[in-house]
Amino acid sequence: NAGVMQNPRHLVRRRGQEARLRCSPMKGHSHVYWYRQLPEEGLKFMVYLQKENIIDESGMPKERFSAEFPKEGPSILRIQQVVRGDSAAYFCASSLNSGTYHNEQFFGPGTRLTVL
Amino acid sequence: GQQLNQSPQSMFIQEGEDVSMNCTSSSIFNTWLWYKQDPGEGPVLLIALYKAGELTSNGRLTAQFGITRKDSFLNISASIPSDVGIYFCAGPKGGTASKLTFGTGTRLQVTL
Repeated sequence: NAGVMQNPRHLVRRRGQEARLRCSPMKGHSHVYWYRQLPEEGLKFMVYLQKENIIDESGMPKERFSAEFPKEGPSILRIQQVVRGDSAAYFCASSLNSGTYHNEQFFGPGTRLTVL
Repeated sequence: GQQLNQSPQSMFIQEGEDVSMNCTSSSIFNTWLWYKQDPGEGPVLLIALYKAGELTSNGRLTAQFGITRKDSFLNISASIPSDVGIYFCAGPKGGTASKLTFGTGTRLQVTL
């Protein structure tokens, strides 16, 4: 039973380029979350999606960042015109439910983005 | 906003020792989750807690949901080298179950 898959594991971009991060949730999970982690810090929530819907994007920067979870295929976190401050580890998580209880989130291995 | 403070920030212990760490919040949480993160990897869920006062075990790990709902504790018994890593507490943020707030982390290092 495969866990949450993310690719690529490492991504290097030059300032001004676009970064595309992919996430495939665990089998049977329809709730996807994206988090960002800076070195030596905890994870910070960015966005919560269900299939074809953005449910909560309160943690997403207003510009340059977007996320989608299409009917078919993985969830994509897209960062346009990357800047050095975007360098971080980006983690995707998925859950079976989203209610108050038993909504445990399971995380992927992350994508480490480095902006030169 | 809600903040989860973990202590200690880091600890060195000898193999075989028991470990205790805690997580405190200025506001009430209805769920507490404990994760472990190894270098270069994503967090792995260890234990989930849903009721005040609840005590739950997973092998050598035991976690408790504080009675006040503002804290949680994680204990590791008879530590082994593979326990090395960063332990995070997490809980749903702002009353919405779906966003997790993560704690500041406790870095555990084990000496042989």
